[in-house]
Amino acid sequence: AQSVTQPDIHITVSEGASLELRCNYSYGATPYLFWYVQSPGQGLQLLLKYFSGDTLVQGIKGFEAEFKRSQSSFNLRKPSVHWSDAAEYFCAVGGGSTLGRLYFGRGTQLTVWP
Amino acid sequence: DSGVTQTPKHLITATGQRVTLRCSPRSGDLSVYWYQQSLDQGLQFLIQYYNGEERAKGNILERFSAQQFPDLHSELNLSSLELGDSALYFCASSTTGSSGNTIYFGEGSWLTVV
Repeated sequence: AQSVTQPDIHITVSEGASLELRCNYSYGATPYLFWYVQSPGQGLQLLLKYFSGDTLVQGIKGFEAEFKRSQSSFNLRKPSVHWSDAAEYFCAVGGGSTLGRLYFGRGTQLTVWP
Repeated sequence: DSGVTQTPKHLITATGQRVTLRCSPRSGDLSVYWYQQSLDQGLQFLIQYYNGEERAKGNILERFSAQQFPDLHSELNLSSLELGDSALYFCASSTTGSSGNTIYFGEGSWLTVV
């Protein structure tokens, strides 16, 4: 069965610190992987995606993610967090016969201390 | 701005009532998706349309229905509303609706059932 696990419900970091949000997936086909961000009262904004090729992908706002097939992971990273990065982050997986639908994790809430 | 437009942004209605949520996809996108986001269930896929035809169905209740019109806009109809239907309903769109397409989300319609 397809599923996405984000082990950390809530993460707090200081502004300027590095960040890593974890994502593990279970999928029966070649996965397409996504990270979305949701600010309070806002929709879901695409940060980055992985379809194939280089396993380290760059996204918007200085985020990057690394696909590790052996670990079924797609962790999101940022070297230096800004206060405006405080939001909820969702990992999602799709591909194969799912016809474009995505399976989402439960999200990780990021708090940034000044 | 993702280019996906949803109306209304907020809606408060009573139990037993019926509401219609409207979505305009990004220009050129043929596929529309509806998702429900609630505290209990997280982000759940409801249904997908492609060029007017239903493509995939997820955890959509029988009280809910959707359609995609010739101009590609979509409507999600929710009837016999219950308190538990209170949620944020997202519309999303993609170019073809096949795996590997990037899915762009609107800002959502907040539904409160009282």
